[in-house]
Amino acid sequence: QSALTQPRSVSGSPGQSVTISCTGTNSDVAFYNYVSWFQQHPGKAPKLMIYDVSKRPSGVPDRFSGSKSGNTASLTISGLQAEDEADYYCCSYAGSYTYVFGSGTKVTVL
Amino acid sequence: QVQLVESGGGLVKPGGSLRLSCAASGFIFSDHYMSWVRQAPGKGLECVAYISTSGSTIDYADSVKGRFTISRDNAKNSLYLQMNRLRVEDTAVYYCARGLWGSAAFDIWGLGTMVTVSS
Repeated sequence: QSALTQPRSVSGSPGQSVTISCTGTNSDVAFYNYVSWFQQHPGKAPKLMIYDVSKRPSGVPDRFSGSKSGNTASLTISGLQAEDEADYYCCSYAGSYTYVFGSGTKVTVL
Repeated sequence: QVQLVESGGGLVKPGGSLRLSCAASGFIFSDHYMSWVRQAPGKGLECVAYISTSGSTIDYADSVKGRFTISRDNAKNSLYLQMNRLRVEDTAVYYCARGLWGSAAFDIWGLGTMVTVSS
């Protein structure tokens, strides 16, 4: 299974919005509504930010939102804050108990 | 509180073996499917093994199939990964991850344990 495609990096100034894309195939992102997003700070474990395409776990700020269209999912961070600077990974269920992750996107707050 | 703690990582020579453990606490372990997810240095995430709540369903990434074995002991609230015939490319931080009930996502992660395969 090939990794989902994400941009290597995105950046924005505090208060701005940034969107990260995650492109898969008809066998994963397009087929299942099980896309999740993780935030990872350097040296730390991944943290679930979005699941089931657009649901937020308790405690995740509503500045984070997710969506999907066809084989591409997106994570939008609105009102960018300094602590949002991190790596972000998407993940999609791909059937038969397999999961495929994205290549990762570094978000820089200018 | 809800917690996963991995152990068992270390330095091993190519062809060697290691057994990773993950101790769960703060939740009903037997209610959740579990996975091992690894991250090579400077690289992305890869789900290498999955196990259902009872252990009756197991799956592996092609990269580890036939070499790694995932198991769980619900009485001991523990998850395991037996890694045999290790290769240099297995070098990574290995995370234990809890499956989100009612979905296909991982909501709780351990801090990870480092496995280094080198001669």
